Amino acid sequence: AQSVSQHNHHVILSEAASLELGCNYSYGGTVNLFWYVQYPGQHLQLLLKYFSGDPLVKGIKGFEAEFIKSKFSFNLRKPSVQWSDTAEYFCAVNAGSSNTGKLIFGQGTTLQVKP
Amino acid sequence: NAGVTQTPKFQVLKTGQSMTLQCAQDMNHEYMSWYRQDPGMGLRLIHYSVGAGITDQGEVPNGYNVSRSTTEDFPLRLLSAAPSQTSVYFCASRSIARLRGGDTEAFFGQGTRLTVV
Repeated sequence: AQSVSQHNHHVILSEAASLELGCNYSYGGTVNLFWYVQYPGQHLQLLLKYFSGDPLVKGIKGFEAEFIKSKFSFNLRKPSVQWSDTAEYFCAVNAGSSNTGKLIFGQGTTLQVKP
Repeated sequence: NAGVTQTPKFQVLKTGQSMTLQCAQDMNHEYMSWYRQDPGMGLRLIHYSVGAGITDQGEVPNGYNVSRSTTEDFPLRLLSAAPSQTSVYFCASRSIARLRGGDTEAFFGQGTRLTVV
């Protein structure tokens, strides 16, 4: 069965620090990968997505992620975080046929940025 | 643009009561799904549908029923509420995009915070 694992459950950073959140998935075939963000009290919003092509994907608000197929990883990065990045971050995978539509999420990582 | 609309936003139920969480989307998306969000467990898929008349179980389907009579609506029914069903529920939709040959992002509703006492 497909699964997604996020290594960091709770991350605390100071403003301007660099961020890297780990995400690994288990599926040997073609995958589509996503990072979603949930700001306090809000619904999930898409940060970035990977379908094919350049494995380094750039998203909104300065976030980027790198797909490393050999490591089954899709880590999220940001060079310099801001207080407004405080949120919960979810990695998700859609494995197999692109017509299934089923998204599997990781456990989430809570990011707290101190001003 | 309404997107994905969930109602109600908050609900308190007594153990054993039944209720329906509503979800509607106006983007003509084929795929709709229900997730529950619990601390430390991320979002877990309850049920999903790839089109009207077609539904399937996700990771945690027990205690929930769904139906998909139209493309727009995908209600989630709690048959007999239990305290273990206290959670935040999210509905999501996405376009399967068969003709374009690729997937698209999922759009989420605002969530329903359910408490079962």
